[in-house]
Amino acid sequence: AQTVTQSQPEMSVQEAETVTLSCTYDTSESNYYLFWYKQPPSRQMILVIRQEAYKQQNATENRFSVNFQKAAKSFSLKISDSQLGDTAMYFCASHGMFGNEKLTFGTGTRLTIIP
Amino acid sequence: GAGVSQSPRYKVAKRGQDVALRCDPISGHVSLFWYQQALGQGPEFLTYFQNEAQLDKSGLPSDRFFAERPEGSVSTLKIQRTQQEDSAVYLCASTPGAHSYEQYFGPGTRLTVT
Repeated sequence: AQTVTQSQPEMSVQEAETVTLSCTYDTSESNYYLFWYKQPPSRQMILVIRQEAYKQQNATENRFSVNFQKAAKSFSLKISDSQLGDTAMYFCASHGMFGNEKLTFGTGTRLTIIP
Repeated sequence: GAGVSQSPRYKVAKRGQDVALRCDPISGHVSLFWYQQALGQGPEFLTYFQNEAQLDKSGLPSDRFFAERPEGSVSTLKIQRTQQEDSAVYLCASTPGAHSYEQYFGPGTRLTVT
């Protein structure tokens, strides 16, 4: 079983600033993936970044990076040089591997970028 | 190429009516997932298909919910005798392989039960 917790329901930041979204998780799986998905207003969910739990190196995708602390079961998302298009709901999610790929999502963080 | 599509995008049903929600995954995608997203919440898993086989239906909330994917492509989620608590956005996602990590989501169907 997996649980994902996001404790920040809403956040806002000025354009061009850096923001960090928090996520903690719990899982009984020995191997698993962690994800951040973005859901813009009235648009479909898209993958922002993923992290394989067996990899120690933190994943990065352009302005997006994660801080993965496996022992603490923490998986935060950092958005650098934030842009207006980053305004969206952000969901932290996880799934197991090899036949257990159903996603478990957190409750989301609504991020607003202020011009 | 075309992404995952879902129809209808919006559905209003009177309590007690049956509804059918359709998902067209990306062509050739093997796996298909259904999720239910209540207002202000994260999506919750309903069921999972690999080709035409329904491998996991542990998330279906009651026996009023039924899903099928008879030819391994299009999937239909059917809800019988709808109740107000069924009001939610129903999301479909597909992946290219049996164990692919990235799920490609459709725009969802917003179901409102009055």
